[in-house]
Amino acid sequence: DTEVTQTPKHLVMGMTNKKSLKCEQHMGHRAMYWYKQKAKKPPELMFVYSYEKLSINESVPSRFSPECPNSSLLNLHLHALQPEDSALYLCASSQDRGRESFFGPGTRLTVL
Amino acid sequence: GESVGLHLPTLSVQEGDNSIINCAYSNSASDYFIWYKQESGKGPQFIIDIRSNMDKRQGQRVTVLLNKTVKHLSLQIAATQPGDSAVYFCAENMRDNYGQNFVFGPGTRLSVLP
Repeated sequence: DTEVTQTPKHLVMGMTNKKSLKCEQHMGHRAMYWYKQKAKKPPELMFVYSYEKLSINESVPSRFSPECPNSSLLNLHLHALQPEDSALYLCASSQDRGRESFFGPGTRLTVL
Repeated sequence: GESVGLHLPTLSVQEGDNSIINCAYSNSASDYFIWYKQESGKGPQFIIDIRSNMDKRQGQRVTVLLNKTVKHLSLQIAATQPGDSAVYFCAENMRDNYGQNFVFGPGTRLSVLP
């Protein structure tokens, strides 16, 4: 299994909702990432988990809360988002930090 | 991030021609670079990588060139095909006190004309 899966593919939520994005990989990778990508822009790093520990939080607002339940799973909990948070949220994994990343297809999030 | 790619939003090439996509990086200490391809509705896909101890690396129909003197990276695609239409990002391995992570350039959209 050489892919990263993400659910849901699309998500529409109101500003008062709580939702979660999920990511899974079974490649034995020890680093997992959340990126945010706005239209016509490159992916921007949000969080990095290395060996299931959060190692980077790129000054992301607290309305985004990552969780790494085990080495194969990564979640992103969303609460009280703003319309400007609408974007494609990409999950990625790599064998270790500094190695090439494998990306999931992303979750297209729309905040109303 | 600190890395800034050249602003070349769109490159149009005829099917069968060769394509060259460029990227500049700003950190002379960066030692590892990756090219990713992102098709519409998909996540970025690894194409080819190169380490700073090399100046050229070839894959299947793709070649990456690294010029450390001018901090420039290029991706050459031979015999461009319609399936090559996508946005291409260079990514630079940056190191800081928190470890190492990749910073993406702004991207170039490649359009293959029939």
